[in-house]
Amino acid sequence: AQSVSQHNHHVILSEAASLELGCNYSYGGTVNLFWYVQYPGQHLQLLLKYFSGDPLVKGIKGFEAEFIKSKFSFNLRKPSVQWSDTAEYFCAVNFKAAGNKLTFGGGTRVLVKP
Amino acid sequence: EAQVTQNPRYLITVTGKKLTVTCSQNMNHEYMSWYRQDPGLGLRQIYYSMNVEVTDKGDVPEGYKVSRKEKRNFPLILESPSPNQTSLYFCASSSSGTQLGFNTIYFGEGSWLTVV
Repeated sequence: AQSVSQHNHHVILSEAASLELGCNYSYGGTVNLFWYVQYPGQHLQLLLKYFSGDPLVKGIKGFEAEFIKSKFSFNLRKPSVQWSDTAEYFCAVNFKAAGNKLTFGGGTRVLVKP
Repeated sequence: EAQVTQNPRYLITVTGKKLTVTCSQNMNHEYMSWYRQDPGLGLRQIYYSMNVEVTDKGDVPEGYKVSRKEKRNFPLILESPSPNQTSLYFCASSSSGTQLGFNTIYFGEGSWLTVV
């Protein structure tokens, strides 16, 4: 079965530090890739998505992600985090061979210390 | 305003007592889906629907039922809830389009369900 792995469950960093969250997925042919953010007490919001084209994708709030097909990875990055980036981040993959299903990673809780 | 509305937002119920969590969207979306969120497991898809009268199992459908009689509504039914169904549930919708249509998935605010 297709799966999505986020290696870090918890990340703690200080404001202005750089952030990189890993996301790997199992082999499954053509994929659509997403990163979602869930702020405390809120529902999920789309940060960015990749369908095709330039593998470096820019999203909202200064986030970007790079699709590396050979590594089955879609890591999320932000050069300089703010306290307001404290949230849980989810990588999600739509494996086209599996139809209209979106498979989520287990999430990474990010705490940014002021 | 584009919205996905779930009810109830919070519910404590007892084992075996049937319950329904409603979901309604006002965007005329074809695609709707239910997820449950559990610590360390992320969101797991329970059921999804491509359109009216078209539903399909997700990754964790056991113990749940759904129906899609109208385009805007996609209720989640727990016929006989058990404690392992204690979770945070999210409804989501999206336009399908010609591709798989995940241009924008709109999520509801979540329903906290506790089964004792």
